[in-house]
Amino acid sequence: GQQLNQSPQSMFIQEGEDVSMNCTSSSIFNTWLWYKQDPGEGPVLLIALYKAGELTSNGRLTAQFGITRKDSFLNISASIPSDVGIYFCAGYGGSNYKLTFGKGTLLTVNP
Amino acid sequence: GAVVSQHPSWVICKSGTSVKIECRSLDFQATTMFWYRQFPKQSLMLMATSNEGSKATYEQGVEKDKFLINHASLTLSTLTVTSAHPEDSSFYICSAREPLAAQQLEQFFGPGTRLTVL
Repeated sequence: GQQLNQSPQSMFIQEGEDVSMNCTSSSIFNTWLWYKQDPGEGPVLLIALYKAGELTSNGRLTAQFGITRKDSFLNISASIPSDVGIYFCAGYGGSNYKLTFGKGTLLTVNP
Repeated sequence: GAVVSQHPSWVICKSGTSVKIECRSLDFQATTMFWYRQFPKQSLMLMATSNEGSKATYEQGVEKDKFLINHASLTLSTLTVTSAHPEDSSFYICSAREPLAAQQLEQFFGPGTRLTVL
């Protein structure tokens, strides 16, 4: 089946720093979704991307749909303690409209 | 908009009992809902796709007789874990697609249900 390789697996940063994480796939994806999950909660949708090359922002978050349609990245600028959590990329590829998830990036922000 | 709720948020039960988890779309109608399972420090694993008015579609390796899914209305899907055993202990999360969302592909997740089987 389709797989998403998400990196890094974890990040430890200082408050105020910028963060970047990405997802890659060996096959083409038609839609990329970025979610954040807090401990004991369900994932919350942050950004949805539908077109190759699309760059979308949501506050301090910016995500891009790679031109090759095989990758996407998420940037968080000026991180704050509440950014702590697990960030998942997810996507739809081919004719299979099941959402495929990356393994997540655990973000820790030191105040 | 696009709010999905789950009940209960956590449940502890004895081995051999059955547990029902409800998933509701609060402000939209969802013809399709999804049930996921998540183990600690792991990603979400799709268990089944719940279709309103028809049988659920289960992923390979998921026992349909063990995990009963009912999608009786456009706002409610239920997952019943039958004859639960300790290995069924996990975090169960449902999601739904919002029909009015862009391209109808965005999935919105419930807050999850923590099941602990003793």
